[in-house]
Amino acid sequence: EVQLVESGGGLVQPGGSLRLSCAASGFTFSTNSMDWVRQAPGKGLEWVSYISGSGTIYYADSVKGRFTISRDNVKYSLYLQMNSLRAEDTAVYYCAKMGSSGSLDYWGQGTLVTVSS
Amino acid sequence: EIVLTQSPGTLSLSPGERATLSCRASQSVSSNYLAWYQQKPGQPPRLLIYGASSRATGIPDRFSGSGSGTDFTLTISRLEPEDFAVYYCQQYGSSPRLTFGGGTKVEIK
Repeated sequence: EVQLVESGGGLVQPGGSLRLSCAASGFTFSTNSMDWVRQAPGKGLEWVSYISGSGTIYYADSVKGRFTISRDNVKYSLYLQMNSLRAEDTAVYYCAKMGSSGSLDYWGQGTLVTVSS
Repeated sequence: EIVLTQSPGTLSLSPGERATLSCRASQSVSSNYLAWYQQKPGQPPRLLIYGASSRATGIPDRFSGSGSGTDFTLTISRLEPEDFAVYYCQQYGSSPRLTFGGGTKVEIK
């Protein structure tokens, strides 16, 4: 059974940093692309970042230069380092596994990041 | 950058009725890399349709996807009580890598 479990969310002040983790199990992690997607309270879904199994990386313009995605294929883990956080980064952050035709076939339950003073 | 526009914003229907949701792209979606998701309050999204028309594992056949190029449709043939939720379309491309539509809420009339 595929499982994705996020952790690391919490309350942080504007300008601060946070590192999210996503523990994966139930599939061959190293051969699958992974994504971070966020959802601000009461809003829609926003794609944040993508990393392929071999390490190709993409970011949304809204986080480029501030967020860094990475993965540890040995530890079956996905990470999102978030620096220079802003109030508009407040959201539930989901990690998701990429499936067929660019879809996201499995999602974690999400971790809430709140940026506020 | 591809922008996905979903319509209507809200769809008010009764159980047993047919729901037709639209997703229009500002540019052609490559290789029909278009997916649909269902999201209920407090839950992560669930994949319904990938490749524009293929049902994901375990998805009932009352859900169907169609379309190509810039116009895509999600149809729920007969609404069940558990189908009232928010639905999102998503495309996969080059830059940005993924884009989501703004969502359609299907509510009980």
